[in-house]
Amino acid sequence: GQQVMQIPQYQHVQEGEDFTTYCNSSTTLSNIQWYKQRPGGHPVFLIQLVKSGEVKKQKRLTFQFGEAKKNSSLHITATQTTDVGTYFCAGRSNDYKLSFGAGTTVTVRA
Amino acid sequence: NAGVTQTPKFRILKIGQSMTLQCTQDMNHNYMYWYRQDPGMGLKLIYYSVGAGITDKGEVPNGYNVSRSTTEDFPLRLELAAPSQTSVYFCASSFPIAGAATDTQYFGPGTRLTVL
Repeated sequence: GQQVMQIPQYQHVQEGEDFTTYCNSSTTLSNIQWYKQRPGGHPVFLIQLVKSGEVKKQKRLTFQFGEAKKNSSLHITATQTTDVGTYFCAGRSNDYKLSFGAGTTVTVRA
Repeated sequence: NAGVTQTPKFRILKIGQSMTLQCTQDMNHNYMYWYRQDPGMGLKLIYYSVGAGITDKGEVPNGYNVSRSTTEDFPLRLELAAPSQTSVYFCASSFPIAGAATDTQYFGPGTRLTVL
């Protein structure tokens, strides 16, 4: 079955620094979604990428979908304490189900 | 709209007990899902439903059952609780748009279940 791998599992960032988390699928995806889960909370939808090579930005967050539609990345610039949480990618193939990566848990040093 | 609501928020069960986790959504979404999230892990799909009266297994269905008699409700049943079912359970719903390859999932607040 489809597998979605996410690295790194943990990201410790100094406030103000940039970082990137990566997502790789074993199969070609029809779309990929990113979710954020704050500690003790539930996943909240951030964005969806559908087209090959697509790049979308949300303020300091930049999301990219690979040309082959098998990988994606999330880049955060000038990390703030509000960025703390776990970021999940979720890939969708040709059915109704999303396969979630294990997530990247981000902590920020002030 | 309340979105997706789940009850209870917390529950402790003894081995062998049974319980039902409730999930309700008021967004008229036809698709609903149950996930479990173990510490440090991603979300694993237990069961899903594409509409009232239709359910199907996800990745980890063993030990669980579901029903979908209405569009709004999608309860998850644990018949014989086991310690391996200790987890956080999330219900989600979505409204896929045909041809748009989009199905943003809206999650409930979760139920934290401990089986001792």
